[in-house]
Amino acid sequence: GQQLNQSPQSMFIQEGEDVSMNCTSSSIFNTWLWYKQDPGEGPVLLIALYKAGELTSNGRLTAQFGITRKDSFLNISASIPSDVGIYFCAGQGWDTGNQFYFGTGTSLTVIP
Amino acid sequence: SQTIHQWPATLVQPVGSPLSLECTVEGTSNPNLYWYRQAAGRGLQLLFYSVGIGQISSEVPQNLSASRPQDRQFILSSKKLLLSDSGFYLCAWMMERNTIYFGEGSWLTVV
Repeated sequence: GQQLNQSPQSMFIQEGEDVSMNCTSSSIFNTWLWYKQDPGEGPVLLIALYKAGELTSNGRLTAQFGITRKDSFLNISASIPSDVGIYFCAGQGWDTGNQFYFGTGTSLTVIP
Repeated sequence: SQTIHQWPATLVQPVGSPLSLECTVEGTSNPNLYWYRQAAGRGLQLLFYSVGIGQISSEVPQNLSASRPQDRQFILSSKKLLLSDSGFYLCAWMMERNTIYFGEGSWLTVV
């Protein structure tokens, strides 16, 4: 199956710092989703994007649907310890039909 | 509101034994349903998806099978488990506006 390229693979940051991560695809997508997963739990949806150029916020989180429709970005401002977890992007497009494909994840560690 | 549940949450099974993981969705009808696996690494691998009762599409040929006997029920099965089947299995469903939600996950350890 398809996999999206997600980077960075892991991040270690100080509490209060901002975080940026991104996903790229070889296919054009119509939908980008961003999730956070805590250990032993299912991923939880953070932000959904449906339009190229769309910029959507959810508290300290902001995500953007790239204008090329082949990438997406997630930013976390002023990180706190509870931001720790693995963040996934997911995309869906004409080439993927009813299926979503997921990035390989970004593991975030916040140092108090 | 819509909810999704899967069980069991944790399972330890010997090699060669059968498997049945069950997922149900409440509060919606005719959802698209999905089974993903998350192995020791972090990636989510799509295993099966279903757009309706009895309709199953397989992404990866393997030791597993899926069935959808009822509109809101999705079952992942195996006749004989392999060590490589160990992992974290996630059921998911899609809402109207192309948004996918996950269940709590099931940990499978094959010993």
